[in-house]
Amino acid sequence: NAGVMQNPRHLVRRRGQEARLRCSPMKGHSHVYWYRQLPEEGLKFMVYLQKENIIDESGMPKERFSAEFPKEGPSILRIQQVVRGDSAAYFCASSLEPYNEQFFGPGTRLTVL
Amino acid sequence: GQQLNQSPQSMFIQEGEDVSMNCTSSSIFNTWLWYKQDPGEGPVLLIALYKAGELTSNGRLTAQFGITRKDSFLNISASIPSDVGIYFCAGSITSGTYKYIFGTGTRLKVLA
Repeated sequence: NAGVMQNPRHLVRRRGQEARLRCSPMKGHSHVYWYRQLPEEGLKFMVYLQKENIIDESGMPKERFSAEFPKEGPSILRIQQVVRGDSAAYFCASSLEPYNEQFFGPGTRLTVL
Repeated sequence: GQQLNQSPQSMFIQEGEDVSMNCTSSSIFNTWLWYKQDPGEGPVLLIALYKAGELTSNGRLTAQFGITRKDSFLNISASIPSDVGIYFCAGSITSGTYKYIFGTGTRLKVLA
């Protein structure tokens, strides 16, 4: 089953460390989206990437957060110098075309101590 | 920013009962989506609605795009234990978009 894969599923970091979250889209999908979900809340759009390009990062905090989707390999969401408020579930989704259905991965649950 | 209000926030029902939940927006939307999220998993798309008044079914699930374009409804008939989960609505002002606003979810628990 070539669904969207995310790893790690759970990640614990201490304040000030870096968190790297990986997402492998569905086979054949070149459009990737990252979302953040805080407890008891809905998903909030962070960034949309196509291979090697950031198309829309309007939902991503300006500092400490970055995303990439290289020509080879998974998409990476990187959070530098994590703070407690970064604790959340981070979901990746992919689609065949930008306006098609987005298929979600199982998420990475980040806990910052 | 824009918000979607989903209600109820949570509900406990008996197996076999019908379930209704809704989502309202302060803005007019052109697309409504309904997702289900199982514990520890990502959301899965259940139904997509693209036209005001549209009524669409997917098995025991039926969703409607409100006439005012500011609300949407999801009904589940004859609930079963595997219906447990969080149901999210998502909407977009523009058609053909990749960016949606998500509601806060309705947590459904089914008592056998």
